Amino acid sequence: AQSVAQPEDQVNVAEGNPLTVKCTYSVSGNPYLFWYVQYPNRGLQFLLKYITGDNLVKGSYGFEAEFNKSQTSFHLKKPSALVSDSALYFCAGDTGFQKLVFGTGTRLLVSP
Amino acid sequence: EPEVTQTPSHQVTQMGQEVILRCVPISNHLYFYWYRQILGQKVEFLVSFYNNEISEKSEIFDDQFSVERPDGSNFTLKIRSTKLEDSAMYFCASKEGGYEQYFGPGTRLTVT
Repeated sequence: AQSVAQPEDQVNVAEGNPLTVKCTYSVSGNPYLFWYVQYPNRGLQFLLKYITGDNLVKGSYGFEAEFNKSQTSFHLKKPSALVSDSALYFCAGDTGFQKLVFGTGTRLLVSP
Repeated sequence: EPEVTQTPSHQVTQMGQEVILRCVPISNHLYFYWYRQILGQKVEFLVSFYNNEISEKSEIFDDQFSVERPDGSNFTLKIRSTKLEDSAMYFCASKEGGYEQYFGPGTRLTVT
């Protein structure tokens, strides 16, 4: 069965510090992996994707993610967090059958 | 930047009533989706739609649910006889043909 796991309900980081939001996946075939962000009362905004190729992918707002096949992980990272990055982050996977399978979400709280 | 829009933002209905949730996908997109998120739970796939027909549906998408693309711009989700457990945030998404799906802001459905 396809699944995506986000082991942390919440991540706290001080502004200016690097942040990591963790995601592991279990999908058959070549995984297509995504990160989405949800701000209050807003929809899910696409941040970045891994399809193939370079294991480090860059996305919107300075975020990047590292695909690690041996660890089946796709962690979201940012070198320097901003207070405005505080939001709910979802990792999602798609094996090419078009539906996305989402993790449970991780709330990122960046303190000033 | 084009966006997926959804109406209404909040719908309150009584158990047993029919509801129609409306979405306007991004205009040149070809693939359409509905997802739902019960409060505090993960985002779940309901149905995908391409070329005027359902391409995949989840076990949640039973006979009470239907989707339609009545014209060239709207994409609707109908729930024929709502149950209390249908209370959730419903997200519409679309994609052009690549990998990432773009989500609308959601409709919060409350069934009383």
